[in-house]
Amino acid sequence: KAGVTQTPRYLIKTRGQQVTLSCSPISGHRSVSWYQQTPGQGLQFLFEYFSETQRNKGNFPGRFSGRQFSNSRSEMNVSTLELGDSALYLCASSLGPDRDYTFGSGTRLTVV
Amino acid sequence: KNEVEQSPQNLTAQEGEFITINCSYSVGISALHWLQQHPGGGIVSLFMLSSGKKKHGRLIATINIQEKHSSLHITASHPRDSAVYICAVRTPSSNYQLIWGAGTKLIIKP
Repeated sequence: KAGVTQTPRYLIKTRGQQVTLSCSPISGHRSVSWYQQTPGQGLQFLFEYFSETQRNKGNFPGRFSGRQFSNSRSEMNVSTLELGDSALYLCASSLGPDRDYTFGSGTRLTVV
Repeated sequence: KNEVEQSPQNLTAQEGEFITINCSYSVGISALHWLQQHPGGGIVSLFMLSSGKKKHGRLIATINIQEKHSSLHITASHPRDSAVYICAVRTPSSNYQLIWGAGTKLIIKP
C-alpha cells in the first residue's frame, strides 16, 4: 500500500517567486492536512481539507493557500516567497478528521 | 502557557535504560497522538489514544484523562530510538485541529 507522497522533496526558490507543493494521500484517505516546520517555531498547522472542503485554517498570511481535488490529492501554494518561508512542509492524510494520521516525507523549501 | 507541554525537552540516556517522556495539556481533547521524527524530517505516528494504555513492541503510551496527562515509555532503549518525540492533541473546540507540543529530543548512547 503506497504511503503519502509529497513532491518535490527539495526545492530552492528566489524571494518573490511562488511555489506549489503537492501531496498525494493514501488511497481511500479523504482528509489531508498541511504543516510547516521550522527550527525556531516547531510544527505549525497550515490547513486541513476533507472531501475538497477546507475544514480548518491556521494562522498564516493569505500568501499561503491550498486546495484539494476530487481524487483527494492536495496542493498548497505560497506566493511572493519570503526568506522566512524556508521550512520543511509536511502533509498528512487520514480517513477522516478524527482518525490517525500518516505523514509524508515532506518538501524542504529553501528561499534565497 | 502553551496548551500542550512536554518534558523533558532533551533527554540523553544509555542503551538499555527505561525512558519516560511526559505530555500535559490544558484543553479538552478527543484524542492524543504520539509521533516520532527522525533526523531528515520523516514523521511516524506511534499511537493515537483517547483512554487507557497502548503497547507496540517496546513502546507503551498511557493517558490519564482526568489529570490531562500522557506518558510515552520506551523499554530496553536502543540507539535507533534516538529521535524527537512529539505529543499532539485533537481538540473538538477547534474543529479537531491538532495542537502540537514542542517535542522531546531523545539521544540513546551505545
